[in-house]
Amino acid sequence: EVQLVESGGGLVQPGGSLRLSCSASGFTFSSYWMSWVRQAPGKGLEWVANIKQDGSEKYYVDSVKGRFTISRDNAKNSLYLQMNSLRAEDTAVYYCARGFVGATPGYWGQGTLVTVSS
Amino acid sequence: QSALTQPASVSGSPGQSITISCTGTSSDVGSYNLVSWYQQHPGKAPKFMIYEDSKRPSGVSNRFSGSKSGNTASLTISGLQAEDEADYYCCSYAGSSTFVFGGGTKLTVL
Repeated sequence: EVQLVESGGGLVQPGGSLRLSCSASGFTFSSYWMSWVRQAPGKGLEWVANIKQDGSEKYYVDSVKGRFTISRDNAKNSLYLQMNSLRAEDTAVYYCARGFVGATPGYWGQGTLVTVSS
Repeated sequence: QSALTQPASVSGSPGQSITISCTGTSSDVGSYNLVSWYQQHPGKAPKFMIYEDSKRPSGVSNRFSGSKSGNTASLTISGLQAEDEADYYCCSYAGSSTFVFGGGTKLTVL
């Protein structure tokens, strides 16, 4: 069974940093694209970033370019999102998702809440 | 990277069929056969329902079907059931390995 468990969320001040983690199990982690998708309170889903199986390609939504960095450690079956220069508008539940066919998000974790506030 | 356009809400009675539209552009929905659909119940993670415009992952009820014409994709739910009441999101590949979601549609089962 595919399992994705996010961690690392919390309250951070504007301008601060946070690192999210996603621990994967139940599948061969190194064989799949992985993504981060977020959902602001009461709002819709927003694709944030994804990373190829070997980490050689990474892509981001314009609003986080230069501030967020996606990475993975295939030996640890883990996905990460380093978030710097955080803004109030980054407040959201952040979901980790495994690619189904190609990079299309298929299986999702339960999410971790990030709150950016002073 | 503009969000795809979905109706804010749709409704239907048990047993009926409803369709949710998802309108993009020739740069996303219209260019690739890579529209996916997700169901989200309150407080829960999204569930994968449709991929590559019209394919169902294993385990998804055949009451859910997807289609596409030009820049508009659609999700149809037939034989509406109370448990189908949820938010539904479309998502399209937008080139350069990026994706864009729709704003979401709240389905109410009357």
